[in-house]
Amino acid sequence: QSVLTQPPSVSGAPGQRVTISCTGGNSNIGAPYDVHWFQQLPGTAPKLLIFENSRRPSGVPDRFSGSKSVTSASLDITGLQPEDEADYFCQSYDSSLSAWVFGGGTKLTVL
Amino acid sequence: QVQLVESGGGLVKPGGSLRLSCVGSGFTFSDYYMTWIRQAPGKGLEWIAFISSSTRTIYYADSVKGRFTVSRDNAKNSVYLEMNNLRVDDTAMYYCARPQGPQPNNWFDPWGPGTQVTVSS
Repeated sequence: QSVLTQPPSVSGAPGQRVTISCTGGNSNIGAPYDVHWFQQLPGTAPKLLIFENSRRPSGVPDRFSGSKSVTSASLDITGLQPEDEADYFCQSYDSSLSAWVFGGGTKLTVL
Repeated sequence: QVQLVESGGGLVKPGGSLRLSCVGSGFTFSDYYMTWIRQAPGKGLEWIAFISSSTRTIYYADSVKGRFTVSRDNAKNSVYLEMNNLRVDDTAMYYCARPQGPQPNNWFDPWGPGTQVTVSS
């Protein structure tokens, strides 16, 4: 059971928008600690997608955006493309565990 | 470009030991914290170890505390993970990653491609 809760899967057609949620608690997202997002393409290592809740590293398309509210965060992907099909993980810090924690991951299927 | 590459994974019996290495390039290795994160087959990500640039600060996840030891050699641009008393549930892909940002709000970028550790009799 992950400390941060994500839906196991989401799906959308090309061109559509999807949102992936990440729900935590008062010792992590609500503490408040920042939320970061990673994209993991099949068979590869995770890659940073969003840091500090809503900032994009250079090279990440602006179709990807992040937001945070109290004890949860969201990753929005607009204009879905087939190459977006991947697993997405949120990450934060938990003061009760004194550990960096991840969500269980969400598999995005582009229909 | 900034790059991390892990090595040292393999097949080991329960109770055995293994030492993983991670070499960094394209950045001043001695200036950065480093961390190890693992991913069991078909599962999510689990942070397991953190080491500061000077080795003065080291943290472990409870799941590996007392069995795993993280160390680094800045002269060799390398960080290591000594794993002892391995268990079947330690089977995972092991990644090294570079923490960025202010502690403890760190994010991890980049990641190495990973090295597979399989614990089985």
